[in-house]
Amino acid sequence: GQQVMQIPQYQHVQEGEDFTTYCNSSTTLSNIQWYKQRPGGHPVFLIQLVKSGEVKKQKRLTFQFGEAKKNSSLHITATQTTDVGTYFCGYGGSQGNLIFGKGTKLSVKP
Amino acid sequence: DTGVSQDPRHKITKRGQNVTFRCDPISEHNRLYWYRQTLGQGPEFLTYFQNEAQLEKSRLLSDRFSAERPKGSFSTLEIQRTEQGDSAMYLCASSLAGVGAGYTFGSGTRLTVV
Repeated sequence: GQQVMQIPQYQHVQEGEDFTTYCNSSTTLSNIQWYKQRPGGHPVFLIQLVKSGEVKKQKRLTFQFGEAKKNSSLHITATQTTDVGTYFCGYGGSQGNLIFGKGTKLSVKP
Repeated sequence: DTGVSQDPRHKITKRGQNVTFRCDPISEHNRLYWYRQTLGQGPEFLTYFQNEAQLEKSRLLSDRFSAERPKGSFSTLEIQRTEQGDSAMYLCASSLAGVGAGYTFGSGTRLTVV
């Protein structure tokens, strides 16, 4: 069945460095969402991508949806300690629910 | 509206006991979801409702799990005869129906089965 691979599983960066996480699927996705979960917290919705090749920005965060709608990325420019957490991608399941990847855990060294 | 509320925040129970969790979604949201999350993993889908109808239930979900949303507002998730493997964070989320509507998650109920 449809599933996504999120890479890397962990990323350790120095504050000020950039960070990218990828969500890759073997099949075409109808849409993809990104969430951030702070340590000890719950997932918080960041963005939704629907169109092929779509790019959206939120301040230092850039989200992309691949032309073939099989992959997506989240890029953070100049990380800050407030960016610490786990970033999940989620895609629409066949029954209307959202299926999540395993996440990329980001740690930022000040 | 204060967002999605879950009760209790923590539950410790002995193996074999039944437990029930409650979720109060955002009032304007007609969809309500239950997920389970263990350490280092993404949220795992359990079931979801649109209004009072349960539309989908994960094939991985044991018959010991049951969920209700009797009036299309709050929902309960019951686990019967709990096992140690049921220990996890149980997350509730709500959203509007529609393609790709973002989910609003509650803070979760952390279940520990001893």
